[in-house]
Amino acid sequence: DAGVIQSPRHEVTEMGQEVTLRCKPISGHNSLFWYRQTMMRGLELLIYFNNNVPIDDSGMPEDRFSAKMPNASFSTLKIQPSEPRDSAVYFCASSFRQARRSPLHFGNGTRLTVT
Amino acid sequence: AQSVAQPEDQVNVAEGNPLTVKCTYSVSGNPYLFWYVQYPNRGLQFLLKYITGDNLVKGSYGFEAEFNKSQTSFHLKKPSALVSDSALYFCAVRDMNNNAGNMLTFGGGTRLMVKP
Repeated sequence: DAGVIQSPRHEVTEMGQEVTLRCKPISGHNSLFWYRQTMMRGLELLIYFNNNVPIDDSGMPEDRFSAKMPNASFSTLKIQPSEPRDSAVYFCASSFRQARRSPLHFGNGTRLTVT
Repeated sequence: AQSVAQPEDQVNVAEGNPLTVKCTYSVSGNPYLFWYVQYPNRGLQFLLKYITGDNLVKGSYGFEAEFNKSQTSFHLKKPSALVSDSALYFCAVRDMNNNAGNMLTFGGGTRLMVKP
């Protein structure tokens, strides 16, 4: 099992540019979560999907952020346009929707730096 | 609503001494409780969970946690700390009876520093 795979591991971009973060969940998992981690705010849930459908996007900071899950094996988080305050580590996690006792499995994150 | 509190930003302990990382929770129903560990430049890794049954739960790397319903706590413990245990630790809760999904709520994290 390869675990949750995120790409890229590091992204450095200039303010105003579009950024796309990618996630491949563990095969068979049907819930997917996007988190953001910063020193100031800790770990924040941005959005989560069940069976490819967005369930709760109340954590998405603003309209510049969007997330999609076109199929069970792929999700993207897009920031357009990016701003310096978006600099953070973005994590993707997956689990079984029906198995509420199961833990989340996290990827190793994408460290985003917006200059 | 569900919430988790980790009252200590950092815990310092000498190698070989016992360690405790504190966690309290709030849910409307019965809780599923989890501990995760995060090493530098890595994602969160699952350590252990409490679902039901024995209040003392054993997990990876010699860690254990004690569920206390009356105090709504789930403190992480280890009898003898190692320098390699130094990391960021997160407590998380999921309401067993929450039908809105399987969202986990995380605490703010506690940095454990084990000194030789």
